[in-house]
Amino acid sequence: QKEVEQNSGPLSVPEGAIASLNCTYSDRGSQSFFWYRQYSGKSPELIMSIYSNGDKEDGRFTAQLNKASQYVSLLIRDSQPSDSATYLCAVNEGGYQKVTFGTGTKLQVIP
Amino acid sequence: GAVVSQHPSWVICKSGTSVKIECRSLDFQATTMFWYRQFPKQSLMLMATSNEGSKATYEQGVEKDKFLINHASLTLSTLTVTSAHPEDSSFYICSAEDPSGANVLTFGAGSRLTVL
Repeated sequence: QKEVEQNSGPLSVPEGAIASLNCTYSDRGSQSFFWYRQYSGKSPELIMSIYSNGDKEDGRFTAQLNKASQYVSLLIRDSQPSDSATYLCAVNEGGYQKVTFGTGTKLQVIP
Repeated sequence: GAVVSQHPSWVICKSGTSVKIECRSLDFQATTMFWYRQFPKQSLMLMATSNEGSKATYEQGVEKDKFLINHASLTLSTLTVTSAHPEDSSFYICSAEDPSGANVLTFGAGSRLTVL
């Protein structure tokens, strides 16, 4: 059973702070990694994708991947109240289109 | 970016009736679409992979005779919940692989089903 694990939270951070979201996965063959944001009652939207070890930055967001540790994280700098949402980590094994989602971490940014 | 349209966004039906949900890729062709279900405060669970021109692939534990999937064209997949019961009430979301990125999924807006 391939698993993707996240702390459900909620993770509360003050406005302007850095939010750090973490995810571990069980399948060493995984090759594609994603962070999706889901607002309550809405469908997920892609925040970041990362495919190789290291950091990938896009605006206030940085994804970090460590395949040896089977760990992927998302950093949100200068957190804003509008960042308050559930963040879903998703992993794809590679060679297959199936994507497995974690249970999500609820982030609350406090003004 | 790629857009996936899903309809209806919400539906209420009586127990025992059937409900059809449509998922369309608006500006790209999708030979494969994915149907997810999400219960309150839970993550997305893949129900089935819809393949254009062939039978859908269902995940373990998902009843293929209850959740009928048809992918008749390169831009349309439908999910029919047959003989719906209150326990089928959930948020159903379709997705397709975005042509712009490897394994990146673009999601429809979701369909909230309430079975009375």
